[in-house]
Amino acid sequence: DTGVSQDPRHKITKRGQNVTFRCDPISEHNRLYWYRQTLGQGPEFLTYFQNEAQLEKSRLLSDRFSAERPKGSFSTLEIQRTEQGDSAMYLCASSLGGTAQYFGPGTRLLVL
Amino acid sequence: AQKVTQAQTEISVVEKEDVTLDCVYETRDTTYYLFWYKQPPSGELVFLIRRNSFDEQNEISGRYSWNFQKSTSSFNFTITASQVVDSAVYFCALREGSGNTPLVFGKGTRLSVIA
Repeated sequence: DTGVSQDPRHKITKRGQNVTFRCDPISEHNRLYWYRQTLGQGPEFLTYFQNEAQLEKSRLLSDRFSAERPKGSFSTLEIQRTEQGDSAMYLCASSLGGTAQYFGPGTRLLVL
Repeated sequence: AQKVTQAQTEISVVEKEDVTLDCVYETRDTTYYLFWYKQPPSGELVFLIRRNSFDEQNEISGRYSWNFQKSTSSFNFTITASQVVDSAVYFCALREGSGNTPLVFGKGTRLSVIA
């Protein structure tokens, strides 16, 4: 499978715990994006990387959120001290330059 | 500010009917891109089409067609002879500029095709 992959697909955690998600983009894609989607809404942009550089962060990305793409390949999104409001689907997408973004299957997070 | 409006929250049609999903966008840029994505019950967003602001030609791909009208800031999507497998949430999205900006999505339209 040469598409975007995300791990884990599902995560249940208790409020206050830290969680980390991983995204592996399509191999030749230099751009990687993170979005969050809540029930009944469209995806909302969180942050994006061009190669290893994080170029833009949304106001949605509070101080508890951090993202990395250390070698310009896979990326991780960490949420510290999770809150119930963090429950959502976290989507990763990749693209080659400014072409279409291709999405992974998402990680569904539930914070109890 | 950029914005995408999908006024239809849910649509139900009977199999083989044609259905049009509406998308209206707002942007101040003269260069922008419009997209449609399909999100089936499995949850993964599937790319359907990208159209740039300088290309107003309508496009047809099998049973799918897209009507881009800059005069009304609309990018509507029509499915001809709908099938049960078309049941999904469909999102319209906008990206401003030359490609360094993220996508802004509408809230989606849930299409149910009944056999």
